[in-house]
Amino acid sequence: GENVEQHPSTLSVQEGDSAVIKCTYSDSASNYFPWYKQELGKRPQLIIDIRSNVGEKKDQRIAVTLNKTAKHFSLHITETQPEDSAVYFCAATSDASGGSYIPTFGRGTSLIVHP
Amino acid sequence: AAGVIQSPRHLIKEKRETATLKCYPIPRHDTVYWYQQGPGQDPQFLISFYEKMQSDKGSIPDRFSAQQFSDYHSELNMSSLELGDSALYFCASSPGGSTEAFFGQGTRLTVV
Repeated sequence: GENVEQHPSTLSVQEGDSAVIKCTYSDSASNYFPWYKQELGKRPQLIIDIRSNVGEKKDQRIAVTLNKTAKHFSLHITETQPEDSAVYFCAATSDASGGSYIPTFGRGTSLIVHP
Repeated sequence: AAGVIQSPRHLIKEKRETATLKCYPIPRHDTVYWYQQGPGQDPQFLISFYEKMQSDKGSIPDRFSAQQFSDYHSELNMSSLELGDSALYFCASSPGGSTEAFFGQGTRLTVV
């Protein structure tokens, strides 16, 4: 099955700095890579995603990059704000035999943005 | 916009009791996933359903079972509860053929 590694587990930055979270995946068949933001006690919320036919995608202050050859993808947050503080999960999704697509999550990165 | 609805939001059960968690997917979403998230852990895939049939199985214990009904809602049945079953249980849904999964707010199960 798919295995997703995520680093770092904790990331502490000053407000206005950039933050980068990196993930690697093992299954070359994975073709969809969502990123979720989870605030304490709340549900994971999809913030951005990238598909395997694209190398980079940007949405305002967040961007994702994908290197299919190396099987790694990254989340970049610029001009961080205190409200960006949360746990961020990367995931890799591949076609499953039963007709559904199963996201496999990384272990999460706790991002702390200091005012 | 309608989101994934889970009930109950909180549940306290004693060891060896049973629990039933419910999930109502986003309208027109025919795929449902169940995840278990322990404290400080990433969500672990339990089981999924597509068009009312079990489509994939993850790390779901034999004590748990689930099904998807004709209206596409799903129920996770948990028996012989153990202290280690205490966790957040998330349901997510997606439209058939789509890779995007949208999560419900979760059910916090506490086994005492």
